[in-house]
Amino acid sequence: NAGVMQNPRHLVRRRGQEARLRCSPMKGHSHVYWYRQLPEEGLKFMVYLQKENIIDESGMPKERFSAEFPKEGPSILRIQQVVRGDSAAYFCASSTDRDTGELFFGEGSRLTVL
Amino acid sequence: DAKTTQPPSMDCAEGRAANLPCNHSTISGNEYVYWYRQIHSQGPQYIIHGLKNNETNEMASLIITEDRKSSTLILPHATLRDTAVYYCIVPAGGYNKLIFGAGTRLAVHP
Repeated sequence: NAGVMQNPRHLVRRRGQEARLRCSPMKGHSHVYWYRQLPEEGLKFMVYLQKENIIDESGMPKERFSAEFPKEGPSILRIQQVVRGDSAAYFCASSTDRDTGELFFGEGSRLTVL
Repeated sequence: DAKTTQPPSMDCAEGRAANLPCNHSTISGNEYVYWYRQIHSQGPQYIIHGLKNNETNEMASLIITEDRKSSTLILPHATLRDTAVYYCIVPAGGYNKLIFGAGTRLAVHP
């Protein structure tokens, strides 16, 4: 009974490269959330997705960031032309439906931009 | 989300009960209170939630005041592994968009 799986766990990119972070929700979960945690700061909501739909992207930076949750396969958080300020831990969570506040989080993907 | 207020830090001796308070004076009648924790560098972990009645599970107990303006998370026998940041959250907006505040940093010491 695997939990939320995120990969890679650690990713190093140089400025200007692209970063792709993947999240496989728990079995039976169709709702995915992405959060970002900058060093020594709190968790910040980024985006909430259901299969093939972005429900709330109010926390996503206006440029360079995008997210998807296709019908098949994991959810992807994509960061284009990374900058040093993108260095952070990115956490994915999933839930069974939209009305429960019980989210299951993965162990995070730690992005380091050189 | 309804605003929540928590003390920034607390200490607890190992084996003793840890009582973590949270104020949520603007909570409305159908909003739940959720508690999560984040152990250093790990993903947040759901602990417990409640609406009106006190709740207990294998991790903790949640005591909600009758007016629902505050609650207390109780770890009955704290261990060193309970050292973490604890978040009290009242999600709103019709779906579970959790907004994490600063939380309470609980240090359990021997």
